[in-house]
Amino acid sequence: DIQMTQSPSSLSASVGDRVTITCRASQSVVSSVNWYQQKPGKAPNLLIYVASSLQRGVPTRISGSGSGTDFTLTISGLQPEDFATYYCQQSYSTPYTFGQGTKLEIK
Amino acid sequence: QVHLVQSGAEVKKPGASVKVSCKASGYTFTSYTMHWVRQAPGQRLEWMGWINAGNGNTEYSQKLQGRVIITRDTSASTAHMELSSLRSEDTAVYYCVRDAGYSSGWFVFWGQGTLVTVSS
Repeated sequence: DIQMTQSPSSLSASVGDRVTITCRASQSVVSSVNWYQQKPGKAPNLLIYVASSLQRGVPTRISGSGSGTDFTLTISGLQPEDFATYYCQQSYSTPYTFGQGTKLEIK
Repeated sequence: QVHLVQSGAEVKKPGASVKVSCKASGYTFTSYTMHWVRQAPGQRLEWMGWINAGNGNTEYSQKLQGRVIITRDTSASTAHMELSSLRSEDTAVYYCVRDAGYSSGWFVFWGQGTLVTVSS
């Protein structure tokens, strides 16, 4: 199975800040990484697919990049609604696997 | 618009089975793959398997092979996930998820989740 490791596990930031979350795959997944946002008690919401494509309706302050084994999710100009937990996921091969999550908290 | 509506919360004893349903609307049910993903309390998301809603083909996580069965009823636009020989570690929220199409593997539409609690 492909292991997905995120860093950091938690992050404190202020409204208006720029934050970056990193995801590393245990082997190359080419560009098959997707990012989700999850708020407490809710289902995850797709933000980015295939490493850098913005899902319809997602604000442009959110972006993704990377290829091979290393990927990043960047949120510029943090808004109050951005404080949540973020997960990366590889869709290169089954079993599809997720990172352990990064909890973004208000400083 | 796409909606996935799941059946309600379940409480089961160890060793029992549970069947969770997911009724789809707003799209052609047989044109997309449906996945099941679960999340134990405080844990990462875990992919369980998928079903091609058109031809009924399935693939399961090896970790759950032999305990999970995913089926679909095309006349009711409903997918089902049955998990047997339940253990306490199976306590989780279970989601049905529709992918973007062409078995893309990224998950656009999610059900509301069904909490399954396994406790004696």
